[in-house]
Amino acid sequence: DAGVIQSPRHEVTEMGQEVTLRCKPISGHDYLFWYRQTMMRGLELLIYFNNNVPIDDSGMPEDRFSAKMPNASFSTLKIQPSEPRDSAVYFCASSLGQGIGGYTFGSGTRLTVV
Amino acid sequence: RKEVEQDPGPFNVPEGATVAFNCTYSNSASQSFFWYRQDCRKEPKLLMSVYSSGNEDGRFTAQLNRASQYISLLIRDSKLSDSATYLCVVTPPPPGGSYIPTFGRGTSLIVHP
Repeated sequence: DAGVIQSPRHEVTEMGQEVTLRCKPISGHDYLFWYRQTMMRGLELLIYFNNNVPIDDSGMPEDRFSAKMPNASFSTLKIQPSEPRDSAVYFCASSLGQGIGGYTFGSGTRLTVV
Repeated sequence: RKEVEQDPGPFNVPEGATVAFNCTYSNSASQSFFWYRQDCRKEPKLLMSVYSSGNEDGRFTAQLNRASQYISLLIRDSKLSDSATYLCVVTPPPPGGSYIPTFGRGTSLIVHP
């Protein structure tokens, strides 16, 4: 299995631009999570999906952030417009069921907004 | 009180030493517990699950104390390659009912020659 695949690995963009992060979960996993990691706040859960349906987006910072999961093998996290304080590493993770066997992370997208 | 708390460290130990980390959690109804390892500029990776009866994997031992609401990780015979950040993961039940992973801030371990 290729694991959780995220793209791009690195993204540098100017303030105000739209940013789209992509994630392909492990085949067969029915939960997908988007996390953001910063030195100041650690790993924060932004949103999670179960069977492609968004369940809890209370961690999404504000309306500039949106996430979709159009099918079981693809999810996007979009920031529009981006701001310098959005600079962080964004991780996607997936699990089978409610994570009894743990959660598998992608390699992350390192986002820098200048 | 934060949901999951860890001593950030760093724990600076010589090779061959035994080191232990604790992680406390606030919600007594939490269901699953894990230790993850994260290397610098890498993603977190599952190190081991933590079971009520305690479990061991080679040099690593994890334990759960539900009464005092903490989990622990013991590393024996530390290796240079054990240098990393160790993240504690707890799954408390939110109002919606799904047990969703909550990560601690991590404990940094540095093993020196």
